[in-house]
Amino acid sequence: EDKVVQSPLSLVVHEGDTVTLNCSYEVTNFRSLLWYKQEKKAPTFLFMLTSSGIEKKSGRLSSILDKKELFSILNITATQTGDSAVYLCAVEGDNYGQNFVFGPGTRLSVLP
Amino acid sequence: ETGVTQSPTHLIKTRGQQVTLRCSSQSGHNTVSWYQQALGQGPQFIFQYYREEENGRGNFPPRFSGLQFPNYSSELNVNALELDDSALYLCASSSGPSSYNEQFFGPGTRLTVL
Repeated sequence: EDKVVQSPLSLVVHEGDTVTLNCSYEVTNFRSLLWYKQEKKAPTFLFMLTSSGIEKKSGRLSSILDKKELFSILNITATQTGDSAVYLCAVEGDNYGQNFVFGPGTRLSVLP
Repeated sequence: ETGVTQSPTHLIKTRGQQVTLRCSSQSGHNTVSWYQQALGQGPQFIFQYYREEENGRGNFPPRFSGLQFPNYSSELNVNALELDDSALYLCASSSGPSSYNEQFFGPGTRLTVL
């Protein structure tokens, strides 16, 4: 059965800190890994990763995938209170349709 | 704002009842996926509709069913509600069924089953 594990499940930091969120997965015939940010209800897309070792960056956020070791990390530098949210990792495997398997999420709280 | 809307925002039902949740996709999006998100957990894939046909289904029983209409709206129907069906139900629309087509999530419907 396809599985996604995220760690830590919860994290409290202060503004300006750098955080690293982890996502490991087991999936049949990996296709892609996606990161989402969920603040209140609707998750919003951050990154899609398909190739190993290629870093995706957007402002203070970056992510990289290791397909050999089956994990990805999401880095956030110089955190701000607006970064407080649940960060979800999702993996698409071999099933037809967008059958994404989501992890439980990491709840990040950034204190002023 | 993603342009994806869902109704109602909140809903309270009792065990055994039936419920219909609605989703209006972004214009031009021919694909909609539905997810169930229990408190403190990540979303779980229920099914996907592509051009009004079911295009994939997660590990949910047949009492979860759906419809997609030509005007980009869709429905999730749940029969014989159980207490464990209490969750946030999210729909996500995209311009195609591939993971390369970004999914845009709606704000969700919070269903409580008593």
